[in-house]
Amino acid sequence: QSVLTQSPSLSGAPGQRVTISCFGTFSNIGNNVVNWYQQVPGKAPKLLISYDDLLPSGVSDRFSGAKSGTSASLAISGLQSEDEADYYCATWDDSLNGPVFGTGTRVAVL
Amino acid sequence: MDLVESGGGLVRPGGSLRLSCSASGFTFSNFIMNWVRQAPGKGLEWVSSISSGGSSTNYAPSLRGRFTISRDNAKSSLYLQMNGLRVEDTAVYYCARITGSRNLWSADSWGQGTLVTVSS
Repeated sequence: QSVLTQSPSLSGAPGQRVTISCFGTFSNIGNNVVNWYQQVPGKAPKLLISYDDLLPSGVSDRFSGAKSGTSASLAISGLQSEDEADYYCATWDDSLNGPVFGTGTRVAVL
Repeated sequence: MDLVESGGGLVRPGGSLRLSCSASGFTFSNFIMNWVRQAPGKGLEWVSSISSGGSSTNYAPSLRGRFTISRDNAKSSLYLQMNGLRVEDTAVYYCARITGSRNLWSADSWGQGTLVTVSS
């Protein structure tokens, strides 16, 4: 059972900017760095954002991350059809003594 | 770098299975490794973690006692021994390389996954 809450789905037109939110608590997001993963159905997750807002090498700069208190967000600008995927936030949880993942958000491009 | 899982398959409830993850392209012994699973149509769930040297392990509370993580740094391989399998353990199991520990946790590379199906 996920302890980080995300909205189940959102959609946008090509070229639009969409934002995915991830809500947690002080024991996870509030006290630890947040990562974001993109998962195309049938494929492995791919790291998009690490350390709250760091873009790994090779990831498009259309993706950006932010964190405030016990919530985090992933923004996708200039939405493209290839961005259709599931997106998960993840962070360490001090209470669990292990990582936790968000419930996931499916992004559709209209 | 590459992570390749193997060992998945169909097993009866109560049975056992051993998953393997073969690593290449990086110094395996320098990294913490995790297993993460994903049930069909569901989200990602952390399963287990092992330190770079293998001396420290941790498990999701619901799995402790049934699953055992281990590694062989000489073979650049990670393992997950799964005993007493239940229908709810049906999932794709991924191995993942971890950069940073605890509050700096980040899984930066993932294998393609191996499917475990528990069914009678």
